[in-house]
Amino acid sequence: ETGVTQSPTHLIKTRGQQVTLRCSSQSGHNTVSWYQQALGQGPQFIFQYYREEENGRGNFPPRFSGLQFPNYSSELNVNALELDDSALYLCAGHRGQSNTEAFFGQGTRLTVV
Amino acid sequence: SQQGEEDPQALSIQEGENATMNCSYKTSINNLQWYRQNSGRGLVHLILIRSNEREKHSGRLRVTLDTSKKSSSLLITASRAADTASYFCATLPSGTYKYIFGTGTRLKVLA
Repeated sequence: ETGVTQSPTHLIKTRGQQVTLRCSSQSGHNTVSWYQQALGQGPQFIFQYYREEENGRGNFPPRFSGLQFPNYSSELNVNALELDDSALYLCAGHRGQSNTEAFFGQGTRLTVV
Repeated sequence: SQQGEEDPQALSIQEGENATMNCSYKTSINNLQWYRQNSGRGLVHLILIRSNEREKHSGRLRVTLDTSKKSSSLLITASRAADTASYFCATLPSGTYKYIFGTGTRLKVLA
């Protein structure tokens, strides 16, 4: 049990649509990171939020955006979905900004058709 | 780009044997973590080893870190069928905030 839960577990969307994925982390996880994992690959860093502000982004376009809320929950929003956005999206909670364990949720499997 | 490279990509062993997986990386790091992933589900944290540590143990797991060689190894002793999973190393490069994952080692333990 990691204390990080994601919803929904599975989602099917049509190309061009928008999607919001949700993550709820446990108290004390003031940093949340989002990762995209394509089939057969390792997770790729999308962005990180610390105290409700984005403080780092990976190589993802602006149509990937996020929010972090005071209650340790967060959202990943993806606009104008493309077929290549099909992947497992993972949320991780951390205590502090770095050098601590990252606890991952079970992920949301997004399929874009 | 991938910072960590796991080796081997796939490993198949008999129950009771030991499994060793290696991870190499390119830049100096704050820490390195090992994770397990079952069938495309979420990542389960196994061990974190900091850059000033050389070895850590947790149950049947032993992790070593050699910063001079920029490499780490994960040893699972007395493997069980339930250890069948993909194993990833994730490095936190110095001065950054994002973990960089390798492509993983797929371990299959045969009963």
